[in-house]
Amino acid sequence: DAGVIQSPRHEVTEMGQEVTLRCKPISGHDYLFWYRQTMMRGLELLIYFNNNVPIDDSGMPEDRFSAKMPNASFSTLKIQPSEPRDSAVYFCASSPIGARTDTQYFGPGTRLTVL
Amino acid sequence: AQSVTQLGSHVSVSEGALVLLRCNYSSSVPPYLFWYVQYPNQGLQLLLKYTSAATLVKGINGFEAEFKKSETSFHLTKPSAHMSDAAEYFCAVSVIRGSQGNLIFGKGTKLSVKP
Repeated sequence: DAGVIQSPRHEVTEMGQEVTLRCKPISGHDYLFWYRQTMMRGLELLIYFNNNVPIDDSGMPEDRFSAKMPNASFSTLKIQPSEPRDSAVYFCASSPIGARTDTQYFGPGTRLTVL
Repeated sequence: AQSVTQLGSHVSVSEGALVLLRCNYSSSVPPYLFWYVQYPNQGLQLLLKYTSAATLVKGINGFEAEFKKSETSFHLTKPSAHMSDAAEYFCAVSVIRGSQGNLIFGKGTKLSVKP
């Protein structure tokens, strides 16, 4: 398997623009997670899905952020409008069964810079 | 509420020296604990995990960790550091929300290895 695939790897945009990050989980994994990593706050869970259904979105910072999983092989994280404080590395991860005891497999991340 | 604390944001050792990265957890239920490693410009990958089996857990690349309930600790060790071990290491504890679970990560410890 190719592992978790994220695109783009780097994104530079201007404040106010819409940003869409994409993720393809490992085939057969039922769980998908979106994380954000910054120097100040470390690694934060934004939202996770089980069988394409959002389970916990309490980590989504505000209404400007939204995430969807239209099918088992694709998810998006959208920021609209983007702000400079959204600059971070965004990771997608997937897990076969669940997060409590199971390994999460991380993608390479998308480095977002909002000017 | 579950949480993890990693003592020391930076640790520097000489090649061949013992590596000790500290992690203390807080959990109101028997915890499941993880160590992940992040190499530069990559996503996280699992080093090892404790899920209530043996208290001494062996992972990849010669790392191991010991679960000590009395000390609420899960420190990561390696007898002899290699240059290739230079990376950032994250301790994580699983949490339960409703019927599901996810991970809470520590702030990370950056390991430097001097020749």
